[in-house]
Amino acid sequence: QQPVQSPQAVILREGEDAVINCSSSKALYSVHWYRQKHGEAPVFLMILLKGGEQKGHEKISASFNEKKQQSSLYLTASQLSYSGTYFCGTASLAGTYKYIFGTGTRLKVLA
Amino acid sequence: DVKVTQSSRYLVKRTGEKVFLECVQDMDHENMFWYRQDPGLGLRLIYFSYDVKMKEKGDIPEGYSVSREKKERFSLILESASTNQTSMYLCASSLGPRVYNEQFFGPGTRLTVL
Repeated sequence: QQPVQSPQAVILREGEDAVINCSSSKALYSVHWYRQKHGEAPVFLMILLKGGEQKGHEKISASFNEKKQQSSLYLTASQLSYSGTYFCGTASLAGTYKYIFGTGTRLKVLA
Repeated sequence: DVKVTQSSRYLVKRTGEKVFLECVQDMDHENMFWYRQDPGLGLRLIYFSYDVKMKEKGDIPEGYSVSREKKERFSLILESASTNQTSMYLCASSLGPRVYNEQFFGPGTRLTVL
């Protein structure tokens, strides 16, 4: 039961904003966001915990709606360096403390 | 900086061979993970380990096994490689035990099974 990410892909111009959504069918304890540039390893962006605690990137923000079991990543004033595939990873209340990653959102920023 | 290294960037093996993928982290992390990454499917967890000699199945453990004899090293074993195991394999580690902590990923091993 991978979380569902939307959109699957998005193309932006520099300076435009984007929102990436992550929805789970399970109750969530935390949501993690990673970015993977082409040919590179995924890199941590942000963690959001149930209850509102956050830890992450200065220029990227995110929200976590526990009732709706979803999270959104907000990319504002996008830069060329934002291009890549974004993954959300979810940790559920049930079962062991392992992450389940979404299928990814491909984002391309054009000059 | 945390560094996670994987033994090979590219690997080509034949069907039926036994394949070992090695992962080493240098930051004394308790947790280590093996994922496979396929187009359109994202990252799927194969196995993870939260301590030496401890392991737990992920979402797609069939056809794989793991070994963790030392804290810094986590090995993924394909007992008899098959073509449907052609994929990118990513190793990751995190400071345990809380799921709060971020994962650090290695560069990946692209495995092709012929």
